[in-house]
Amino acid sequence: KNQVEQSPQSLIILEGKNCTLQCNYTVSPFSNLRWYKQDTGRGPVSLTIMTFSENTKSNGRYTATLDADTKQSSLHITASQLSDSASYICVVLASGTYKYIFGTGTRLKVLA
Amino acid sequence: NAGVTQTPKFRVLKTGQSMTLLCAQDMNHEYMYWYRQDPGMGLRLIHYSVGEGTTAKGEVPDGYNVSRLKKQNFLLGLESAAPSQTSVYFCASSYNNRQETQYFGPGTRLLVL
Repeated sequence: KNQVEQSPQSLIILEGKNCTLQCNYTVSPFSNLRWYKQDTGRGPVSLTIMTFSENTKSNGRYTATLDADTKQSSLHITASQLSDSASYICVVLASGTYKYIFGTGTRLKVLA
Repeated sequence: NAGVTQTPKFRVLKTGQSMTLLCAQDMNHEYMYWYRQDPGMGLRLIHYSVGEGTTAKGEVPDGYNVSRLKKQNFLLGLESAAPSQTSVYFCASSYNNRQETQYFGPGTRLLVL
């Protein structure tokens, strides 16, 4: 069964610190892997999209990595800000389909 | 550009009532999607459309119907609402292939009593 699992479920860090969120997936074959940021009460916003041939993709203070061999991805947030408080969702698109498989997200709280 | 907009923002229905959720995008996107988001679960695809006049079933289509009469609009209908359809509904759109970024609307919160 195609699944996307994220860890941790929730995370609290102090402003200015770095953090790394994990995503493991069993989708195979897959077309691309995405990370989204979802603020409370809002729709998800795309951060990065990586195909199976890409190892890393950055978007400002957000850097996503992908290891297609181990089926793992991570999202690293550098120098966190209060505005980074949100849910971060990993999404994998199964190859040849429109089936986007969403993880349940990691809820990040950044404290001053 | 307004991006993706959804109407209404919030609605309360009684079991058995019907309603239509409207999604509109002004980015000339070909692909449009309807998702539902429930606590403890990832977003799940209800229906999608790859162009004007086309629709297809997603992962959880039962109890819902859709129409894409105009390129910019994607309507989601509930013919006879059930409490299990209490959820937050998100519409998304993307350009013309599956590699493109999906842009999401702000969501519609639906409560079925």
